[in-house]
Amino acid sequence: AQSVTQPDIHITVSEGASLELRCNYSYGATPYLFWYVQSPGQGLQLLLKYFSGDTLVQGIKGFEAEFKRSQSSFNLRKPSVHWSDAAEYFCAVGGNTGGFKTIFGAGTRLFVKA
Amino acid sequence: DAGVTQSPTHLIKTRGQQVTLRCSPKSGHDTVSWYQQALGQGPQFIFQYYEEEERQRGNFPDRFSGHQFPNYSSELNVNALLLGDSALYLCASSLRQGLSYNEQFFGPGTRLTVL
Repeated sequence: AQSVTQPDIHITVSEGASLELRCNYSYGATPYLFWYVQSPGQGLQLLLKYFSGDTLVQGIKGFEAEFKRSQSSFNLRKPSVHWSDAAEYFCAVGGNTGGFKTIFGAGTRLFVKA
Repeated sequence: DAGVTQSPTHLIKTRGQQVTLRCSPKSGHDTVSWYQQALGQGPQFIFQYYEEEERQRGNFPDRFSGHQFPNYSSELNVNALLLGDSALYLCASSLRQGLSYNEQFFGPGTRLTVL
């Protein structure tokens, strides 16, 4: 079955501290992986994506993610968190299995404390 | 180049009513997918339209139906609304190229409240 697991429902970090959000996926074909951010009452904004090539991908707002096929993981990182990063983060997977739809995790809510 | 647009932005309905949501895909895209995002959850796939036909469907009842027009725009219809249908409804468009997955581009969503 295709699925995405985000183990942490919420995470709190201090402003300026580093951040890592975890994502594990289960997918029966080559996965296309995404991280989205969503502020309250807003739509989804794409942070970064991995289709192929270099397993370390850079995104907007200083975020990066590393694809590890052996661990079925695609963790999101940021070296120094800003208060404006407080939001909900979704990991997602798509591909040729199951009709081209995108499957989302349940999300991780990030709180940033001063 | 306009991205994916959705209308209306917000909508309030009462139980038992019917609602229609609209989506215009990104220029050049021919495939439209709909997702439901309930409060505190990730988006869930409802269905996908390509060449004016429903191609894939998620685990949603028949009360959820859709349509795709020749210009690739799409509608999502929900009949006999339930309180549990309150959610953000997201439209996503993509370009279908054979059997290859292509990234979906998401619209801002329509927030539906059922009272």
